Amino acid sequence: RKEVEQDPGPFNVPEGATVAFNCTYSNSASQSFFWYRQDCRKEPKLLMSVYSSGNEDGRFTAQLNRASQYISLLIRDSKLSDSATYLCVVNQGGKLIFGQGTELSVKP
Amino acid sequence: DTGVSQNPRHKITKRGQNVTFRCDPISEHNRLYWYRQTLGQGPEFLTYFQNEAQLEKSRLLSDRFSAERPKGSFSTLEIQRTEQGDSAMYLCASSLDLLSAYEQYFGPGTRLTVT
Repeated sequence: RKEVEQDPGPFNVPEGATVAFNCTYSNSASQSFFWYRQDCRKEPKLLMSVYSSGNEDGRFTAQLNRASQYISLLIRDSKLSDSATYLCVVNQGGKLIFGQGTELSVKP
Repeated sequence: DTGVSQNPRHKITKRGQNVTFRCDPISEHNRLYWYRQTLGQGPEFLTYFQNEAQLEKSRLLSDRFSAERPKGSFSTLEIQRTEQGDSAMYLCASSLDLLSAYEQYFGPGTRLTVT
């Protein structure tokens, strides 16, 4: 079983749609949680941290449920520029453990 | 550009050859990480340094792999006797210290192809 599991997608959605990504992690000792974005053939870049209280950054909302070891990302009013792979990431003692990524394609 | 840099960006080598990659972290960052990413997968942790000390190595890092950070600044990753399974993107990241270790900034990667 992988330490961080995501639905690989791809998710194909029209502009303006709301899309939700889910992720589960297996190590309850994981310390912090993130969503990274990776464009095709580019390096991953931090999109946002994820907190138990939930946090929002513009059209993006992230949620963490430590009890069920579940992380989510909601993108509202999706834009063409949101097309990328979204990586669910947990921090274990400083090293990052990545999920396989969920590919999002936003179509006009 | 003051971000993480990696060289070369692309490397094609024949099976059995040795290759070496270089990573220059953001100058004030004392933590440096190496990850490997294959097609369709997320990056996988290989090893990391706190200044010049190598603090952890993944079981993915076989004895053909060695990483150094001799002066606590740039780092090198060497692969000896390359195999086709070594073909991947090798990513380097850096961060300030443990408390902000999660804020890892990635370089553009070195794409290795072993023929």
